[in-house]
Amino acid sequence: AQSVAQPEDQVNVAEGNPLTVKCTYSVSGNPYLFWYVQYPNRGLQFLLKYITGDNLVKGSYGFEAEFNKSQTSFHLKKPSALVSDSALYFCAVRDYEDTGGFKTIFGAGTRLFVKA
Amino acid sequence: DSGVTQTPKHLITATGQRVTLRCSPRSGDLSVYWYQQSLDQGLQFLIQYYNGEERAKGNILERFSAQQFPDLHSELNLSSLELGDSALYFCASSVDSGAGGELFFGEGSRLTVL
Repeated sequence: AQSVAQPEDQVNVAEGNPLTVKCTYSVSGNPYLFWYVQYPNRGLQFLLKYITGDNLVKGSYGFEAEFNKSQTSFHLKKPSALVSDSALYFCAVRDYEDTGGFKTIFGAGTRLFVKA
Repeated sequence: DSGVTQTPKHLITATGQRVTLRCSPRSGDLSVYWYQQSLDQGLQFLIQYYNGEERAKGNILERFSAQQFPDLHSELNLSSLELGDSALYFCASSVDSGAGGELFFGEGSRLTVL
């Protein structure tokens, strides 16, 4: 079965500094990888995805992610953090079912704190 | 606004009771997914429906059931409720059967079982 791991429960960064939120994956076959963000008392919002193609994927709100096949990683990055980026970030992988359906498996989440 | 609508937003009930959570997907989306989010279990996939048919199943308890209706809205039924069922229940939708598209989440239904 497919899985993702987010090794950090929390990441702290100062406003204006670059940020990285880490994710590693374990899949059989080609990975379909995603990042989502959750603000307090809200649903998850899609940020970006990797299906195939360029290893550097650009997404919403200035975020990008780098797919690294040799390291089985899909880290989320942003060159300059904003206080408003403070939220809960989830890495996710798409898992195929024999029934023809798909389920998205989410990591445990990483809480990002950006300090002014 | 994701376009996914969930009702009710908050629900408080007692152990042993039954509740129904409702979800309307984005216009045009054929797949509906249900997730449970709790502090100790994280975000757990429950079940997926595509165009009225069950397509994928996660760790959904036998006390829980779901269905997707011809108009594509979905309902999640939770019965014989226990304290541990207290959680945030999310519905998400996608345009396809889930191959490569992203999910669009509703705001969630917060269930409190007393």
